[in-house]
Amino acid sequence: AQKITQTQPGMFVQEKEAVTLDCTYDTSDPSYGLFWYKQPSSGEMIFLIYQGSYDQQNATEGRYSLNFQKARKSANLVISASQLGDSAMYFCAMREVQGGSEKLVFGKGTKLTVNP
Amino acid sequence: DSGVTQTPKHLITATGQRVTLRCSPRSGDLSVYWYQQSLDQGLQFLIQYYNGEERAKGNILERFSAQQFPDLHSELNLSSLELGDSALYFCASSGRDNSYEQYFGPGTRLTVT
Repeated sequence: AQKITQTQPGMFVQEKEAVTLDCTYDTSDPSYGLFWYKQPSSGEMIFLIYQGSYDQQNATEGRYSLNFQKARKSANLVISASQLGDSAMYFCAMREVQGGSEKLVFGKGTKLTVNP
Repeated sequence: DSGVTQTPKHLITATGQRVTLRCSPRSGDLSVYWYQQSLDQGLQFLIQYYNGEERAKGNILERFSAQQFPDLHSELNLSSLELGDSALYFCASSGRDNSYEQYFGPGTRLTVT
């Protein structure tokens, strides 16, 4: 079963506007973590932001914030004041831990295009 | 720069061949992870090592193997290569400062012809 769902294959936003990228997840574990990564056309995976399931406040990192709604199992990424350099693929991922092992399970990604 | 290095950046080889991808984790990280990114499968977890020991296996084919050495660098060995193995292979590392973030290397793009 798919555990991370990103329903927006592509999104467009005007430069300087805010944009929200959606992510819903499915897990029965009480302890989990959610990540967002950015993948520009050059291919590297850039860590953006992390939210732990027990964190009381929504995570923020500069222009990135995570709108974490635990009851709805959603962890949307909000990018404020979009820049042309924000054009990239964005992946939501969930940290799965079992015993001493852990891995990230990724969604299919959202391609964000920032228009001038 | 994530601090994770991967070599080579690009690799072109023929079907049936064997290749080795190399990864050096960030200084202080004990965990190394390998992921495969392909157009049809997306980003998939292959295997995790922690301080030299295998900790978790994902969708890793029997033709693939990995190890982590005492200096913590890791190698992913792919053998009997098939066209479908063409993908971007990422190494990630974590564990420094007890943080959960996995930092990715730049990836190795493998093309099997």
